Amino acid sequence: QVTLKESGPGMLQPSKTLSLTCSFSGFSLSTSGMVVSWIRQPSGKSLEWLAAIDWDGDKYYNPSLKSRLTVSKDTSNTQVFLKITSVDIADTATYYCARTVFNYGRGYFDYWGQGVMVTVSS
Amino acid sequence: DIQMTQSPASLSASLEEIVTITCQASQDIGNWLSWYQQKPGKSPQLLIYGATSLADGVPSRFSGSRSGTQYSLKISRLQVEDIGIYYCLQAYSAPWTFGGGTKLELK
Repeated sequence: QVTLKESGPGMLQPSKTLSLTCSFSGFSLSTSGMVVSWIRQPSGKSLEWLAAIDWDGDKYYNPSLKSRLTVSKDTSNTQVFLKITSVDIADTATYYCARTVFNYGRGYFDYWGQGVMVTVSS
Repeated sequence: DIQMTQSPASLSASLEEIVTITCQASQDIGNWLSWYQQKPGKSPQLLIYGATSLADGVPSRFSGSRSGTQYSLKISRLQVEDIGIYYCLQAYSAPWTFGGGTKLELK
C-alpha cells in the first residue's frame, strides 16, 4: 500500500526558509523509475507543480520558482525534502507530495499525500 | 509554459445526469493529460491518465477522451459521491501545468 505524508512548520515569517518533509511507504525511491513531486495549492485556487526528484537523484524544478527551491532525498530513500527560501505571503498554501509516474520527462501523479498547510505571516 | 484552459469553471447537475468537463491545451501535448478529483478538504485523486485510461479503482462511469488539443472528462451518470472539484494536468512539457478547475455541484 502506497502512502505519503507531508510535514512542515505550519506557520513561518516572511523572508524565512520553509522546510517540508515527505515521508512515504509502499515504494522505494531507489527503484528505477520512481519519482516524487511537490505540488502546492493556495486556498480556493488551482494547483501548481513545484519540483520533483527521481530515483537517480535528478531534480526538476518549475522555472518560475527555481531560484528559491531545493528538492532532495534521504539516503534511505523513504523521505523527500523541499526547501523554499525567502518566503512571502504568496507562498501560503497547502503543500502536497505525490508519487509520480515518469517517462522521459512526462507523466502523472498516481498517489498523493494528505497535504500540509503552510501560512506565511508576520 | 503550456496553458490549460478548463471549462466550465462551475457546473450544477442532477443525479444520473451526464456531465462533461473539458480542457483545452495551448499546444500539442499528445496523450499526456490526466484528470484528478478533489473532494472538500481532501487531496486530489487520480481518475484518468494518458487522456483515456481509467486509474485503478475508479468507477467505470468516468471516461476520458481527446480530440486534437481538446480533452474531455465525462461522468456518464452523476452520483452524490462525484461532487467536488476536477482538475486536468498536462505533463508533456515542463513545467507541468494544471487547469483552473471545475467545481461540480448537485442541482
